[in-house]
Amino acid sequence: AQRVTQPEKLLSVFKGAPVELKCNYSYSGSPELFWYVQYSRQRLQLLLRHISRESIKGFTADLNKGETSFHLKKPFAQEEDSAMYYCALRGDRGSTLGRLYFGRGTQLTVWP
Amino acid sequence: GAGVSQSPSNKVTEKGKDVELRCDPISGHTALYWYRQSLGQGLEFLIYFQGNSAPDKSGLPSDRFSAERTGGSVSTLTIQRTQQEDSAVYLCASSLGSGTAHYEQYFGPGTRLTVT
Repeated sequence: AQRVTQPEKLLSVFKGAPVELKCNYSYSGSPELFWYVQYSRQRLQLLLRHISRESIKGFTADLNKGETSFHLKKPFAQEEDSAMYYCALRGDRGSTLGRLYFGRGTQLTVWP
Repeated sequence: GAGVSQSPSNKVTEKGKDVELRCDPISGHTALYWYRQSLGQGLEFLIYFQGNSAPDKSGLPSDRFSAERTGGSVSTLTIQRTQQEDSAVYLCASSLGSGTAHYEQYFGPGTRLTVT
């Protein structure tokens, strides 16, 4: 069965420090992986997706199929990065195509 | 243009009552999704529509939950005989389509349901 695991419920770093939000998944096919972000009192929004291989707001994430991971990284965290981050998976067949499977989220706090 | 809208933004109801939550997707978006966001559970998928049909209802937690979509646009999520464990934020999302090509899902602001 498909599953997304974010082992850290809470993560705190100081401004300027590197940050890594962990995400592991289980899926038997070739999934698409995403990171969504929800800033305080704002809507959930897409941050980045693995097929784009782009950097958004300084964040990058590489899909590691061997380790079934999609960790989100930023070399120098900023206070405005404080938010809830969700890792999500979309399957490649059948009913898994239509929906996203989300992890439980990691609340990132960046201290000044 | 306008994003996904949901109403009401907040709903407080007594245990045992029925509630209806509404979602207006982005115009032209054929796919519509309902998720539930609760403390400790993260985001749970409930149901999704492609047009007016629901290919995947697997996430509905019980037969007290139902959803419909008419005219390929507005959707209503109905919870009958509400229970305290139904308290959560109900999120709606829409996308241009679904299937083999992934279209970004755009989320609404959510409806916060509190069952007392």
